[in-house]
Amino acid sequence: NAGVTQTPKFRVLKTGQSMTLLCAQDMNHEYMYWYRQDPGMGLRLIHYSVGEGTTAKGEVPDGYNVSRLKKQNFLLGLESAAPSQTSVYFCASSAPGLAVMGQFFGPGTRLTVL
Amino acid sequence: AQSVTQLGSHVSVSEGALVLLRCNYSSSVPPYLFWYVQYPNQGLQLLLKYTTGATLVKGINGFEAEFKKSETSFHLTKPSAHMSDAAEYFCAWMDSSYKLIFGSGTRLLVRP
Repeated sequence: NAGVTQTPKFRVLKTGQSMTLLCAQDMNHEYMYWYRQDPGMGLRLIHYSVGEGTTAKGEVPDGYNVSRLKKQNFLLGLESAAPSQTSVYFCASSAPGLAVMGQFFGPGTRLTVL
Repeated sequence: AQSVTQLGSHVSVSEGALVLLRCNYSSSVPPYLFWYVQYPNQGLQLLLKYTTGATLVKGINGFEAEFKKSETSFHLTKPSAHMSDAAEYFCAWMDSSYKLIFGSGTRLLVRP
């Protein structure tokens, strides 16, 4: 039982390049989330999904897109990376009915945009 | 807008001393409140949570927190700090659609 995993762990991009971050969970959770963490700002929600095929915007969605084609996977895409997107990205998941028990977090992806 | 405020971006204590990390929330509805810990280069791990019932909540590693509705607070405490407690701690509030609103975090430093 791996929990929540994220791929890749580190990535360096040049401005304008695109990439996709993959989040996978093996706990059969319905809800999945993407956050970014910046110094002094805590974690901010980018996008989230309450089930396969559904996505919704969070607090800071601009410049990002997401897809949830399979229940266990949640992809975060950057179409044209900008230096302001340099951050640590965390994926999390939770189960309805158990959502008040908290979210389970992956280990993070450290992204640098030059 | 609902928010979570953590007073003090850095807190430094001596090993064996009391740890007190402060968290205040702004919410007009009964909250679900959480404390998470993040060790260097790792993800977030749930320390403890308040949903309903007893207002004093015990978590892992000897931490506990007390929900005080009158003060809109959920401060985290530990009677005796250990070197291994050095980490960043986040308070979070869960809204009605199960999204977490995080505070800005408090980095705990433990001096030998």
